[in-house]
Amino acid sequence: AQSVTQPDIHITVSEGASLELRCNYSYGATPYLFWYVQSPGQGLQLLLKYFSGDTLVQGIKGFEAEFKRSQSSFNLRKPSVHWSDAAEYFCAVGQMDSSYKLIFGSGTRLLVRP
Amino acid sequence: EPEVTQTPSHQVTQMGQEVILRCVPISNHLYFYWYRQILGQKVEFLVSFYNNEISEKSEIFDDQFSVERPDGSNFTLKIRSTKLEDSAMYFCASSTPRGQGGEQYFGPGTRLTVT
Repeated sequence: AQSVTQPDIHITVSEGASLELRCNYSYGATPYLFWYVQSPGQGLQLLLKYFSGDTLVQGIKGFEAEFKRSQSSFNLRKPSVHWSDAAEYFCAVGQMDSSYKLIFGSGTRLLVRP
Repeated sequence: EPEVTQTPSHQVTQMGQEVILRCVPISNHLYFYWYRQILGQKVEFLVSFYNNEISEKSEIFDDQFSVERPDGSNFTLKIRSTKLEDSAMYFCASSTPRGQGGEQYFGPGTRLTVT
């Protein structure tokens, strides 16, 4: 069965520091991978996606993610975190059958120290 | 920029009552979804809808749930007889076919509280 694991429940970084959020997936075929961000009380905003091609993908707000097939990973990175990046981050894998449903990880809550 | 909208933003209902959650997907999208997120937990898939029929539903989506696209713009989720455990944030999403990008755009959610 398809699954997504985000091993870090909480991460705290200082403003201006670099960030890496981990995501591992289990999926039989080539996955479609996504990162979404959820601010408190808000909906889910798409940060970036990987469908095919270049394994390093750029997203909004200065985020990037790298797909590593050998490690079944799709980690999210940002070189310099801003206080406004504090939110919950969800990794998701898209199931490429007729439904195209998304399977989400349990999320990583990012706290930013001033 | 086009967006998915949902109404109401917050719904409080008593156990056993019927509720209808409404969504207006992005106008040129063809695939529609409902997800839910119980407080503090992950986002879970409920149902997908394409070409006026359900394409997949999860175990959560039992006979108490139904979806409908009553006209060309709205997409609704009905819970026939609510239970306490239905309390959650419900998200609607829509997407284009994969060949046109395919990412799902989410609405802001409806917080359902069952008392």
